[in-house]
Amino acid sequence: EAGVAQSPRYKIIEKRQSVAFWCNPISGHATLYWYQQILGQGPKLLIQFQNNGVVDDSQLPKDRFSAERLKGVDSTLKIQPAKLEDSAVYLCASSFGQSSYEQYFGPGTRLTVT
Amino acid sequence: GEDVEQSLFLSVREGDSSVINCTYTDSSSTYLYWYKQEPGAGLQLLTYIFSNMDMKQDQRLTVLLNKKDKHLSLRIADTQTGDSAIYFCAERYQAGTALIFGKGTTLSVSS
Repeated sequence: EAGVAQSPRYKIIEKRQSVAFWCNPISGHATLYWYQQILGQGPKLLIQFQNNGVVDDSQLPKDRFSAERLKGVDSTLKIQPAKLEDSAVYLCASSFGQSSYEQYFGPGTRLTVT
Repeated sequence: GEDVEQSLFLSVREGDSSVINCTYTDSSSTYLYWYKQEPGAGLQLLTYIFSNMDMKQDQRLTVLLNKKDKHLSLRIADTQTGDSAIYFCAERYQAGTALIFGKGTTLSVSS
């Protein structure tokens, strides 16, 4: 079974530029999460989807971050414009459903904002 | 409030047992997890325990839960150099909600 796929793996941009990350969850997984992991910290939730609907985006900085999962499968997270403090690893995770105990993570996208 | 705390660093010799500790503050958490993160990689689910359990064993891993003290530990028996990584403790209120992570414990195994 293929795991959670993310691309790109690494991205370097200048502040005020925009960037997009892509995630393809494990096949059949209805719930998808985006987490932000700043160096030396644990991951923190940005947004959670159930199929193509948003379940929780309370910690998403909506003035600059957006995310979508239009067909309920893969998802895109965008930052526009980026700030220096957005430098982090962006992790995508998925689970079979909202009642699932297990959550599986992708390899992450490391973003550096200069 | 939501807070998960872990010691930041642990160093052991190969073949010894490692014990990584975690405390959490939310007594309503029903699921507690241990994840492993190797350099440049995502998080690998190691094991999880329900709050109505005291212990769970899975091969070299033993998880102990003291719900009264809100204390969780992960014991790795016969620690190997391949176990060197960052270990994250995480809590969750109920299935379907997001995980709340600690800052991670870096385990260093020397031969």
